[in-house]
Amino acid sequence: GEDVEQSLFLSVREGDSSVINCTYTDSSSTYLYWYKQEPGAGLQLLTYIFSNMDMKQDQRLTVLLNKKDKHLSLRIADTQTGDSAIYFCADLLNTGFQKLVFGTGTRLLVSP
Amino acid sequence: ETGVTQTPRHLVMGMTNKKSLKCEQHLGHNAMYWYKQSAKKPLELMFVYSLEERVENNSVPSRFSPECPNSSHLFLHLHTLQPEDSALYLCASSQEQGGAEKLFFGSGTQLSVL
Repeated sequence: GEDVEQSLFLSVREGDSSVINCTYTDSSSTYLYWYKQEPGAGLQLLTYIFSNMDMKQDQRLTVLLNKKDKHLSLRIADTQTGDSAIYFCADLLNTGFQKLVFGTGTRLLVSP
Repeated sequence: ETGVTQTPRHLVMGMTNKKSLKCEQHLGHNAMYWYKQSAKKPLELMFVYSLEERVENNSVPSRFSPECPNSSHLFLHLHTLQPEDSALYLCASSQEQGGAEKLFFGSGTQLSVL
C-alpha cells in the first residue's frame, strides 16, 4: 500500500524558516496536501499542490514537489510561535475512489 | 459555528459500555469520513460515506458501527471496545467533484477505554 513518511519533530527559533519534509511511494498521486493540527483541534487544510506542478507559494508558505524523488516539502518563512503545531503531509490516491493517505505528522516547536 | 461539529469532545467508557459519537457538517458536502488518530501513527481511515452510502470500510472491527442517516450527519456506534481503541476520533467532510479532494475536519472526540 501507499506509504507517506515524515520526520516526527522539528524545532526552530522564531523568525527562522522551517522546512518540513515528506516522502511518499505512490506513482499515481494526483494532489498532495499539507494539513495543520493545533492542540485540541482537528486538521486544517493549509495548502495543496497538483502533481504536475513543482512549486506553489501562498504568503509565508512555499510547497516544493520533486515528483521524480517522490519528495514534498513545506517551507514556512518567518516562523512564528503561533505556527507551533503538528503538520501532516497527505497524498491523494486515485484508486477508483479518491482516498487521502496521511503521514504520521511532524511536530513543529517554535521557540522565542 | 464551525463547519464540522463533533460531540462529545471527550468520552470515557468501560469495555462493556455502548456509546455513540456524533458528527454534523454544515458545509453542504456530500461525503463524510471517520478517521482514528493514535499517537505516532498515521491517521487511519475507518469509514467513508459518499451520498449517504458506505463506499469504504478499511477492515475495521465490528465493534465500530457507522451510521449516516443523511448527508449532514454521521455517527459512530461503539460497543465492547478494547483499551487499544483509546484514541482521537476525527470526523471529516468533503465535496466530491473530481480534482482536489479537500477535507474539512471536526475537532475530534478523545476516547478513553478503561
